[in-house]
Amino acid sequence: EDQVTQSPEALRLQEGESSSLNCSYTVSGLRGLFWYRQDPGKGPEFLFTLYSAGEEKEKERLKATLTKKESFLHITAPKPEDSATYLCAVQDTFSNSNSGYALNFGKGTSLLVTP
Amino acid sequence: DAGITQSPRHKVTETGTPVTLRCHQTENHRYMYWYRQDPGHGLRLIHYSYGVKDTDKGEVSDGYSVSRSKTEDFLLTLESATSSQTSVYFCAISGYLGQNTEAFFGQGTRLTVV
Repeated sequence: EDQVTQSPEALRLQEGESSSLNCSYTVSGLRGLFWYRQDPGKGPEFLFTLYSAGEEKEKERLKATLTKKESFLHITAPKPEDSATYLCAVQDTFSNSNSGYALNFGKGTSLLVTP
Repeated sequence: DAGITQSPRHKVTETGTPVTLRCHQTENHRYMYWYRQDPGHGLRLIHYSYGVKDTDKGEVSDGYSVSRSKTEDFLLTLESATSSQTSVYFCAISGYLGQNTEAFFGQGTRLTVV
Protein backbone atom coordinates (compact mmCIF):
# COMPACT_ATOMS: atom_id res chain seq x y z
CA GLU A 1 0.00 0.00 0.00
CA ASP A 2 1.25 3.44 -0.90
CA GLN A 3 2.36 5.60 2.00
CA VAL A 4 3.30 9.25 2.11
CA THR A 5 4.73 10.81 5.26
CA GLN A 6 5.45 14.51 5.59
CA SER A 7 7.61 16.15 8.22
CA PRO A 8 7.56 18.26 10.20
CA GLU A 9 3.81 18.61 10.81
CA ALA A 10 4.29 22.28 11.52
CA LEU A 11 7.16 24.69 10.98
CA ARG A 12 7.59 28.25 12.10
CA LEU A 13 10.25 30.37 10.39
CA GLN A 14 11.31 33.95 10.59
CA GLU A 15 11.28 35.91 7.37
CA GLY A 16 14.48 35.16 5.48
CA GLU A 17 15.20 31.94 7.42
CA SER A 18 15.62 29.16 4.83
CA SER A 19 14.50 25.59 5.57
CA SER A 20 13.28 22.37 4.00
CA LEU A 21 10.13 20.28 4.17
CA ASN A 22 10.37 16.52 3.80
CA CYS A 23 8.13 14.01 2.05
CA SER A 24 9.06 10.34 2.31
CA TYR A 25 7.13 7.84 0.27
CA THR A 26 6.61 4.14 -0.32
CA VAL A 27 5.09 3.04 -3.61
CA SER A 28 5.24 -0.04 -5.82
CA GLY A 29 6.47 2.16 -8.63
CA LEU A 30 6.62 5.94 -8.66
CA ARG A 31 4.93 7.52 -11.63
CA GLY A 32 5.09 11.04 -10.23
CA LEU A 33 5.48 13.04 -7.04
CA PHE A 34 3.48 16.24 -6.66
CA TRP A 35 3.72 19.27 -4.40
CA TYR A 36 0.73 21.46 -3.68
CA ARG A 37 0.20 24.58 -1.62
CA GLN A 38 -3.04 25.05 0.30
CA ASP A 39 -4.19 28.29 1.86
CA PRO A 40 -6.88 28.27 4.59
CA GLY A 41 -10.35 27.81 3.14
CA LYS A 42 -9.02 27.14 -0.36
CA GLY A 43 -8.38 24.14 -2.54
CA PRO A 44 -4.85 22.81 -3.08
CA GLU A 45 -2.86 24.74 -5.68
CA PHE A 46 -0.47 22.78 -7.90
CA LEU A 47 3.23 23.65 -7.56
CA PHE A 48 5.47 20.94 -9.02
CA THR A 49 5.63 17.47 -10.50
CA LEU A 50 8.78 15.34 -10.22
CA TYR A 51 9.13 12.10 -12.13
CA SER A 52 12.56 10.64 -11.53
CA ALA A 53 15.30 10.61 -8.90
CA GLY A 54 17.67 13.52 -9.29
CA GLU A 55 15.08 15.78 -10.83
CA GLU A 56 14.74 19.33 -9.49
CA LYS A 57 12.22 22.09 -10.16
CA GLU A 58 12.13 25.69 -9.01
CA LYS A 59 9.54 28.40 -8.69
CA GLU A 60 10.42 31.70 -7.07
CA ARG A 61 11.66 30.86 -3.53
CA LEU A 62 10.67 27.18 -3.76
CA LYS A 63 12.81 24.32 -5.04
CA ALA A 64 11.67 20.70 -5.09
CA THR A 65 14.03 17.76 -5.30
CA LEU A 66 13.48 14.01 -5.56
CA THR A 67 15.36 10.89 -4.51
CA LYS A 68 14.25 7.27 -4.67
CA LYS A 69 12.71 7.46 -1.21
CA GLU A 70 11.90 11.09 -0.50
CA SER A 71 11.37 14.56 -1.79
CA PHE A 72 12.36 17.89 -0.29
CA LEU A 73 10.73 21.26 -0.72
CA HIS A 74 13.40 23.85 -0.05
CA ILE A 75 12.23 27.34 0.85
CA THR A 76 14.88 30.01 0.41
CA ALA A 77 14.53 33.34 2.23
CA PRO A 78 10.80 32.85 2.88
CA LYS A 79 8.35 35.71 3.15
CA PRO A 80 5.13 35.87 5.22
CA GLU A 81 3.12 35.25 2.04
CA ASP A 82 4.72 31.80 1.83
CA SER A 83 2.74 30.80 4.91
CA ALA A 84 0.45 27.92 3.94
CA THR A 85 0.09 24.17 4.22
CA TYR A 86 2.29 22.28 1.76
CA LEU A 87 1.00 18.94 0.57
CA CYS A 88 2.94 16.11 -1.03
CA ALA A 89 1.25 13.41 -3.11
CA VAL A 90 2.35 10.41 -5.17
CA GLN A 91 1.05 8.56 -8.18
CA ASP A 92 1.69 4.84 -8.27
CA THR A 93 2.56 3.29 -11.63
CA PHE A 94 0.76 0.11 -10.65
CA SER A 95 -2.52 1.71 -9.54
CA ASN A 96 -5.68 1.27 -11.62
CA SER A 97 -5.13 3.17 -14.87
CA ASN A 98 -8.85 4.00 -15.00
CA SER A 99 -8.25 6.29 -12.04
CA GLY A 100 -5.94 8.44 -14.13
CA TYR A 101 -3.47 7.55 -11.41
CA ALA A 102 -5.29 9.26 -8.56
CA LEU A 103 -3.10 11.02 -6.04
CA ASN A 104 -2.23 9.61 -2.62
CA PHE A 105 -1.59 12.51 -0.24
CA GLY A 106 0.45 13.01 2.88
CA LYS A 107 -1.03 14.96 5.79
CA GLY A 108 0.85 18.13 4.98
CA THR A 109 3.26 20.54 6.64
CA SER A 110 1.81 23.76 8.01
CA LEU A 111 4.31 26.57 7.46
CA LEU A 112 4.15 29.91 9.25
CA VAL A 113 6.58 32.65 8.28
CA THR A 114 6.69 35.58 10.67
CA PRO A 115 7.99 39.08 9.83
CA ASP B 1 -7.32 29.01 -12.16
CA ALA B 2 -8.60 25.75 -13.64
CA GLY B 3 -12.29 26.00 -14.51
CA ILE B 4 -13.74 24.02 -11.63
CA THR B 5 -16.82 25.11 -9.72
CA GLN B 6 -18.14 23.34 -6.67
CA SER B 7 -21.61 23.93 -5.28
CA PRO B 8 -22.73 24.59 -2.70
CA ARG B 9 -19.68 26.05 -0.95
CA HIS B 10 -21.19 25.54 2.49
CA LYS B 11 -24.00 23.31 3.69
CA VAL B 12 -25.47 22.29 7.01
CA THR B 13 -27.73 19.28 6.98
CA GLU B 14 -29.39 16.95 9.44
CA THR B 15 -28.41 13.36 10.10
CA GLY B 16 -30.27 10.96 7.84
CA THR B 17 -31.01 13.39 5.04
CA PRO B 18 -29.67 12.94 1.50
CA VAL B 19 -27.15 15.47 0.24
CA THR B 20 -25.76 16.05 -3.25
CA LEU B 21 -22.63 18.03 -4.00
CA ARG B 22 -21.89 19.20 -7.51
CA CYS B 23 -18.64 19.66 -9.38
CA HIS B 24 -18.66 21.43 -12.73
CA GLN B 25 -15.63 21.78 -15.00
CA THR B 26 -15.05 23.78 -18.15
CA GLU B 27 -11.72 22.15 -19.08
CA ASN B 28 -13.13 19.08 -20.86
CA HIS B 29 -10.85 16.87 -18.74
CA ARG B 30 -11.51 13.15 -18.76
CA TYR B 31 -10.79 12.35 -15.13
CA MET B 32 -12.69 13.74 -12.16
CA TYR B 33 -12.27 12.94 -8.49
CA TRP B 34 -13.94 13.55 -5.16
CA TYR B 35 -11.74 13.83 -2.08
CA ARG B 36 -12.54 14.60 1.53
CA GLN B 37 -10.16 16.44 3.85
CA ASP B 38 -10.21 15.95 7.60
CA PRO B 39 -7.78 17.04 10.33
CA GLY B 40 -5.22 14.32 10.94
CA HIS B 41 -6.08 12.45 7.76
CA GLY B 42 -5.19 14.66 4.87
CA LEU B 43 -6.94 14.29 1.54
CA ARG B 44 -8.57 10.91 0.91
CA LEU B 45 -10.10 9.69 -2.35
CA ILE B 46 -13.83 8.91 -2.22
CA HIS B 47 -14.74 8.13 -5.84
CA TYR B 48 -13.40 8.92 -9.25
CA SER B 49 -14.62 8.98 -12.84
CA TYR B 50 -12.73 8.15 -16.01
CA GLY B 51 -15.48 9.12 -18.43
CA VAL B 52 -19.20 9.68 -18.81
CA LYS B 53 -21.01 6.99 -16.80
CA ASP B 54 -17.65 5.43 -15.86
CA THR B 55 -16.96 5.63 -12.15
CA ASP B 56 -15.18 3.62 -9.49
CA LYS B 57 -14.59 3.56 -5.75
CA GLY B 58 -11.70 5.14 -3.91
CA GLU B 59 -10.27 4.60 -0.45
CA VAL B 60 -13.25 5.87 1.60
CA SER B 61 -16.33 5.21 -0.56
CA ASP B 62 -18.72 3.73 2.03
CA GLY B 63 -21.85 5.89 2.36
CA TYR B 64 -21.21 7.77 -0.88
CA SER B 65 -22.34 7.38 -4.47
CA VAL B 66 -21.45 9.33 -7.59
CA SER B 67 -22.78 9.97 -11.04
CA ARG B 68 -21.41 11.49 -14.22
CA SER B 69 -23.95 11.95 -16.97
CA LYS B 70 -21.98 14.68 -18.78
CA THR B 71 -18.25 15.26 -19.18
CA GLU B 72 -18.47 18.52 -17.27
CA ASP B 73 -20.48 17.41 -14.22
CA PHE B 74 -19.59 14.99 -11.42
CA LEU B 75 -22.07 14.60 -8.57
CA LEU B 76 -21.35 13.22 -5.11
CA THR B 77 -24.34 11.97 -3.12
CA LEU B 78 -24.54 11.11 0.54
CA GLU B 79 -27.58 8.86 0.61
CA SER B 80 -28.20 9.30 4.34
CA ALA B 81 -25.81 11.78 5.92
CA THR B 82 -24.04 10.89 9.17
CA SER B 83 -21.98 13.03 11.53
CA SER B 84 -18.84 11.18 10.40
CA GLN B 85 -19.36 12.70 6.96
CA THR B 86 -18.85 16.20 8.31
CA SER B 87 -15.84 17.28 6.29
CA VAL B 88 -14.50 19.50 3.55
CA TYR B 89 -15.06 17.97 0.13
CA PHE B 90 -12.86 18.75 -2.85
CA CYS B 91 -13.41 17.98 -6.48
CA ALA B 92 -10.38 17.58 -8.73
CA ILE B 93 -9.82 17.10 -12.45
CA SER B 94 -6.94 15.85 -14.55
CA GLY B 95 -6.27 15.41 -18.23
CA TYR B 96 -5.25 12.49 -20.42
CA LEU B 97 -2.59 10.10 -19.28
CA GLY B 98 0.83 11.23 -20.33
CA GLN B 99 3.65 13.25 -18.96
CA ASN B 100 1.48 15.86 -17.29
CA THR B 101 -1.18 14.32 -15.09
CA GLU B 102 -1.32 16.77 -12.23
CA ALA B 103 -4.75 17.29 -10.73
CA PHE B 104 -6.40 20.68 -10.29
CA PHE B 105 -8.74 21.27 -7.41
CA GLY B 106 -11.91 23.21 -6.81
CA GLN B 107 -12.42 25.54 -3.86
CA GLY B 108 -14.14 22.95 -1.71
CA THR B 109 -17.51 22.40 -0.06
CA ARG B 110 -17.70 22.54 3.72
CA LEU B 111 -20.39 20.11 4.84
CA THR B 112 -21.64 19.94 8.42
CA VAL B 113 -23.98 17.12 9.46
CA VAL B 114 -25.82 17.87 12.72
